[in-house]
Amino acid sequence: DTGVSQDPRHKITKRGQNVTFRCDPISEHNRLYWYRQTLGQGPEFLTYFQNEAQLEKSRLLSDRFSAERPKGSFSTLEIQRTEQGDSAMYLCASSLGQGLETQYFGPGTRLLVL
Amino acid sequence: EDKVVQSPLSLVVHEGDTVTLNCSYEVTNFRSLLWYKQEKKAPTFLFMLTSSGIEKKSGRLSSILDKKELFSILNITATQTGDSAIYLCAVAHYKLSFGAGTTVTVRA
Repeated sequence: DTGVSQDPRHKITKRGQNVTFRCDPISEHNRLYWYRQTLGQGPEFLTYFQNEAQLEKSRLLSDRFSAERPKGSFSTLEIQRTEQGDSAMYLCASSLGQGLETQYFGPGTRLLVL
Repeated sequence: EDKVVQSPLSLVVHEGDTVTLNCSYEVTNFRSLLWYKQEKKAPTFLFMLTSSGIEKKSGRLSSILDKKELFSILNITATQTGDSAIYLCAVAHYKLSFGAGTTVTVRA
């Protein structure tokens, strides 16, 4: 399978715990994006990387959120001190990054904070 | 801030009907508009539109963009139950700004 993969697919955690999600993009794609989707809404942009450089972070991304893409391949998204409002689907997407952007999405990680 | 509005929010049709979904937008630095289909999982790509008036087709689905009036439509003809999904519209510069989606339910 050469699509975008994410791990884990589901995560249940207690409020206050830290969680980390992983995304592996399509291998030749140098842009990687994180989005968050809550019920009844479209995905909302969180942050994106061009290779290993994080180029933009949404104001939705509070200080409790951090994302990395250390070698320009896979990326991790960590949420510290989780809150119930963090419960959502976290989607990763990748694109070639050569102008017009068709982004391909992974299956998502569904987070539930109890 | 970018604004993408989809209508209707939901609709129910019977197999064989034709549906038309609307997407209007107000964005800076518009580069393209994309349509995705989402069925209880990640969005899957349908179309990318960059030029006004050029219809894109894929089987029973088609879409067109009007950059002057800032909207796009997605048509689905001869609907099937497998078309039941949320259809998302997004505008792109580097990131995607999504609308809330239209939930389409096709009844047998």
